[in-house]
Amino acid sequence: IQLTQSPSSLSASVGDRVTITCRASQGISSYLAWYQQKPGKAPKLLIYAASTLQSGVPSRFSGSGSGTDFTLTISSLQPEDFATYYCQQLHSYPFTFGPGTQVDIK
Amino acid sequence: EVQLVESGGGLVQPGGSLRLSCSASGFTFSSYAMHWVRQAPGKGLESVSVISTNGGSTYYADSVKGRFTISRDNSENTLYLQMSSLRAEDTAVYYCVKYEDWGIGRYFDLWGRGTLVTVSS
Repeated sequence: IQLTQSPSSLSASVGDRVTITCRASQGISSYLAWYQQKPGKAPKLLIYAASTLQSGVPSRFSGSGSGTDFTLTISSLQPEDFATYYCQQLHSYPFTFGPGTQVDIK
Repeated sequence: EVQLVESGGGLVQPGGSLRLSCSASGFTFSSYAMHWVRQAPGKGLESVSVISTNGGSTYYADSVKGRFTISRDNSENTLYLQMSSLRAEDTAVYYCVKYEDWGIGRYFDLWGRGTLVTVSS
């Protein structure tokens, strides 16, 4: 199962609303997770089951979608949110990741 | 403390071998399937291999099939990745990852810090 993400990169300001989309090449129900990765660090789980916020993750992060189209939204971008975001399908092996979306400071 | 700590990375020549280890602590290691995920320098994430709780089932990405072997020792809370016939394109940070699977909830909730494998002459 192939995953595409758009945009591949974006520049935004603190306080902006940011939306990243992930599209699967075939239906994956809600078996989708989102991760945040900062340079030199391991990825961190943000959302699973397409829309369930992982414990400890700020509520400004939210996810939606099912089937083939999914969205990660950051309602008000904070300085610590500048990072790369990856979606991952866990519907069937191999569990593939999207190519990532880099969020930079405008 | 709940953590995963990888070791065993380093510089190896093309065609060589290397064994990675991942020591788990703070959770019941034997209850979870475990994955290896890699990330080439400046690139995205790639699932490499997975092993079931008792080691009876394994899965490999096509890119490493026949060259890598995943295993685990539940008595030692340790995950392994034996890598052979290494190629330059295997150069990456290798992460050990805990896989959570319950109903609709499937996700990688605990990652190690990673160990760098460099394949070069």
